[in-house]
Amino acid sequence: DTAVSQTPKYLVTQMGNDKSIKCEQNLGHDTMYWYKQDSKKFLKIMFSYNNKELIINETVPNRFSPKSPDKAHLNLHINSLELGDSAVYFCASSQDSRASYEQYFGPGTRLTVT
Amino acid sequence: AQSVTQLGSHVSVSEGALVLLRCNYSSSVPPYLFWYVQYPNQGLQLLLKYTSAATLVKGINGFEAEFKKSETSFHLTKPSAHMSDAAEYFCAVSDEGSGNTGKLIFGQGTTLQVKP
Repeated sequence: DTAVSQTPKYLVTQMGNDKSIKCEQNLGHDTMYWYKQDSKKFLKIMFSYNNKELIINETVPNRFSPKSPDKAHLNLHINSLELGDSAVYFCASSQDSRASYEQYFGPGTRLTVT
Repeated sequence: AQSVTQLGSHVSVSEGALVLLRCNYSSSVPPYLFWYVQYPNQGLQLLLKYTSAATLVKGINGFEAEFKKSETSFHLTKPSAHMSDAAEYFCAVSDEGSGNTGKLIFGQGTTLQVKP
């Protein structure tokens, strides 16, 4: 069983389009995260939800909007896609939001904006 | 503010040789430190973590890391490299200084190449 899954794995779209990435975890964790990995493989936190409450909202364009319908799901919607949004987006989860808990990562969604 | 520096963006070793990947951190409060590995086109997998229980931490696949507070370091080692160890390695830090958010700050990553 996959612990943290993301769909789609690959997403190719044109500038200006709106797209969503879905994430699900079956670990029973309370906290979920979105990270962006750029072309130089640098990883940066974007958002985090704990029990469906937004607890991390980094400096991200407001074209990005996360939604957590329940503890097991965290989706990322991106409006008006730009070339600079091309990256790999990773979802992760942890038991709760304490700093000592490790995070479990999904396989990533490679977004290419043309 | 937290930060992580991984010295050496690319490390090349021969199969069977010692692996040493360097990580230095900055944190105003006691840190929690993690090493993750990323194989090509995959997500990140936890190798090991330091949460103040013991300064020498053993992880999966024969890796270990030692927390040295005086040097603000958490270097990753493996006595004998295997071809399958070739991957991207990330050091990360979190702490409770910015509230209980679990925010992870990653280093820039080190690509490990293992030569036959």
